[in-house]
Amino acid sequence: EVQLVESGGGLVKPGGSLRLSCAASGFSFNTYNMNWVRQAPGKGLEWVSFISSGSTYIHYADSVKGRFTISRDNAKNAVYLQMSSLRVEDTAVYYCARDEGGWRDFDHWGQGTLVTVSS
Amino acid sequence: DIQMTQSPSSLSASIGDRVTISCRASQSINNYLNWYQQKPGGAPKVLIYGASNLQSGVPSRFSGSGSGTDYTLTISSLQPEDFATYYCHQSYSTFDTFGQGTKLEIK
Repeated sequence: EVQLVESGGGLVKPGGSLRLSCAASGFSFNTYNMNWVRQAPGKGLEWVSFISSGSTYIHYADSVKGRFTISRDNAKNAVYLQMSSLRVEDTAVYYCARDEGGWRDFDHWGQGTLVTVSS
Repeated sequence: DIQMTQSPSSLSASIGDRVTISCRASQSINNYLNWYQQKPGGAPKVLIYGASNLQSGVPSRFSGSGSGTDYTLTISSLQPEDFATYYCHQSYSTFDTFGQGTKLEIK
């Protein structure tokens, strides 16, 4: 069974940093691209970042570029999101999502981890 | 970036109704259009991928169609478990984007 489990969320002050982790199991992690998607309270989904299976290709939404860094460790079956210079508007539930590859739908999602940026 | 305009933003319907949700892209996305269902407190779940392909395990009352810039999700006969929020998602460009969502409520 495919499982994605996020961790690392919490309360942080504006300007602070946080590192999210997503532990994957139940599939050949090193053959799948991965994404982070976030959802502010009561709002819609926003794609945040993409990393290819071998970390060759990395992309970010303009809203986080220069502040967030995505990475992965295929030996540990994990993908990470290092977030710095956090802003109040980064407050959201952060999901990791597996990229199916062909049509690039996100076929499996974690349960999400809440990041709250507040003074 | 490709903008996705989803309509309506909310919809009231009854059990057994046929419902249609639309999504328009700001440029052609060559069927790289996916639909998700999200229930309160839960993660999104893919229903349709590649505009018209039904995800395994998803009931056949869900269907997708469209091409170019215009896409549609149809639920042929609403069931109680279908009341949720639906999102379209374009995966054609380097920078993915989602529609703003359609909240489907019971009339």
